[in-house]
Amino acid sequence: GDSVTQMEGPVTLSEEAFLTINCTYTATGYPSLFWYVQYPGEGLQLLLKATKADDKGSNKGFEATYRKETTSFHLEKGSVQVSDSAVYFCALKGSNDYKLSFGAGTTVTVRA
Amino acid sequence: EPEVTQTPSHQVTQMGQEVILRCVPISNHLYFYWYRQILGQKVEFLVSFYNNEISEKSEIFDDQFSVERPDGSNFTLKIRSTKLEDSAMYFCASSEGQGRNSPLHFGNGTRLTVT
Repeated sequence: GDSVTQMEGPVTLSEEAFLTINCTYTATGYPSLFWYVQYPGEGLQLLLKATKADDKGSNKGFEATYRKETTSFHLEKGSVQVSDSAVYFCALKGSNDYKLSFGAGTTVTVRA
Repeated sequence: EPEVTQTPSHQVTQMGQEVILRCVPISNHLYFYWYRQILGQKVEFLVSFYNNEISEKSEIFDDQFSVERPDGSNFTLKIRSTKLEDSAMYFCASSEGQGRNSPLHFGNGTRLTVT
């Protein structure tokens, strides 16, 4: 079945550092890919998405590019802030799939 | 921006009791879901619901669980006889469509604690 594997954390960074969280997927057909973020004590928020190969999703300074050849959707941000401290989830939705399949989540802590 | 709302935010119950978790999905959405996240673990799919019936369920969603859309706005998850291992954060979600281009929008969750 469809699945997502993402980089294990926790990740601790200083403010203004570069952040990368790796995500790879296994799926049949042409899935859509998502990054969700969970801030402390809150629910899951959609951060960005990409629906086809070579699409780049972006939001709040974060970017991820759908790479079909490497089955990857790595999340990047060039200069993190303390407010970016959260758990980040990579997720996949298959071609005719109702549900999202989530990765294990990566905890990111940004220190001032 | 419209959002999914869940109540209560925290529910404490004793083992063996029934609980009902409530959700109000986004009003023009047609597909509804429940997920759970045991503390520190992965977000797991429980069930999806469309046109007043379950469209898919996971192996976690056994006979102790049921879902219902009792009126035009609410979507509920019932656990008939709670177990300690049901303690988790339960997330409701909704989407406009079924396919790959329809992201799920999640509520803030209900933290269920079974003692």
